[in-house]
Parts: sequence; C-alpha cells; structure tokens
Amino acid sequence: SYILTQPPAVSVAPGKTARITCGGNNIGGRSVHWYQQKPGQAPVLVIKYDSDRPSGIPDRFSGSNSANTATLTISRVEAGDEAAYYCQVWYNSDVVFGGGTNLTVL
Amino acid sequence: EVQLLESGGALVQPGGSLRLSCAVSGFAFSSYAMAWVRQAPGKGLEWVSSISGSGGTTFYADSVKGRFTISRDRSKNSLNLQMDSLRVEDTAVYYCAKIETTMASPFQYWGLGTRVAVS
Repeated sequence: SYILTQPPAVSVAPGKTARITCGGNNIGGRSVHWYQQKPGQAPVLVIKYDSDRPSGIPDRFSGSNSANTATLTISRVEAGDEAAYYCQVWYNSDVVFGGGTNLTVL
Repeated sequence: EVQLLESGGALVQPGGSLRLSCAVSGFAFSSYAMAWVRQAPGKGLEWVSSISGSGGTTFYADSVKGRFTISRDRSKNSLNLQMDSLRVEDTAVYYCAKIETTMASPFQYWGLGTRVAVS
C-alpha cells in the first residue's frame, strides 16, 4: 500500500507563511489534493491536482508537488486558518489520505 | 447548490448491521462518482468506498472489504452504505462525498456526517 507522511503539527504566527508537507514515494508523479478540516466540521477541498484552487478558496492557499514531497503553502496566515490539513492521492484504485497536520496559529 | 445529507447512524453491537444513506441534491447525481469517508474519534480521515456514476464500478478499503457494500439509487438520488459484521473499530463519523468527476478525482463536496458507534 502507499503511505503518505505528514508532520503531526505545524505552528505559525499570524501574517507569516505556513508550509505543510506530504511525503510519499515518487509522489511527484501523482496528483495530490488537500483538505482543510476545522473542529466539528466536514472537510473542505482547498487545493486539487497539486496546485489548483477550487472556486472560493483564497489565493493565499497554494500547492506544489515534486519528487517525494508535496507542499501546501498558506501565505499571510490568519487565525481562521487554524485547522487540520490532509493530503490525498489516488493509488491503484485506492484513495489514500495522509495522517493529517494540525496547524496552530500562534 | 450542492447538498449532501447523511442519515442512518446509530449505536449498534459488534457483529450487527447498519445501513447509511446520503440524500443528494443540486447536481446530476448519475453523472458523478461518489464515496464514503470515515473519521474515528480523534483520528484522521480514512477512505471507505467509492462508486462510479453508473454504479457499475466499486472500490473498497481493505479494512471493510467483504463487510460493507456501497450502492446508489438513481430514483431517490441516494448513496447507500450497507455495513455488516460491524466491529468496534468501525466506530466513526461517516461522511458522504461527491467526487469531482471520475473515481480518481478529488472529493469536491462533503456532507456533515453521521455518527456510528459500535459497542
């Protein structure tokens, strides 16, 4: 099976840039999607196909994917960005999620 | 407006069965793949199963294969998940999700979830 590795937690000060990584074997050859989940709420798609932003997602959210690491970047972080973030790929007819990263805004 | 509304969650004993449903509206149901994703208490997201728009292709996570069955009812615009031989580790919030296009596409919209407790 395919494993996606995310850091359990990332902290960032308001106004700064947060980078959340998602590691996987040759993940650069796959399409990576990112979800934001706030406590008690359903997940929301924030980045699809490595770097595309769905309608309604602020341009502060961006993504990249190369070699063995995909990265979700959140610029000018706001208090409202505090949430869990999950990466996801499609692999051999399976959907694989990373373990999730809790973003704390200091 | 796309809406997904799950129902059917309950407290059930180990070995029991439960049927979850997801009523959908706001899009051409038969044209899109759908999926179930669950989240155990305090844990991350875990994919459960996906079904093609036609219903002819289904995929399951190894953890539920042979115990869960995904289906869709075009007449009712409903996605279903029949869960048999339930285990304590199946305890979770179960989300219904609309897949953007094909099975390999991202989960574009999510419902609010329905809670299943196996104890």
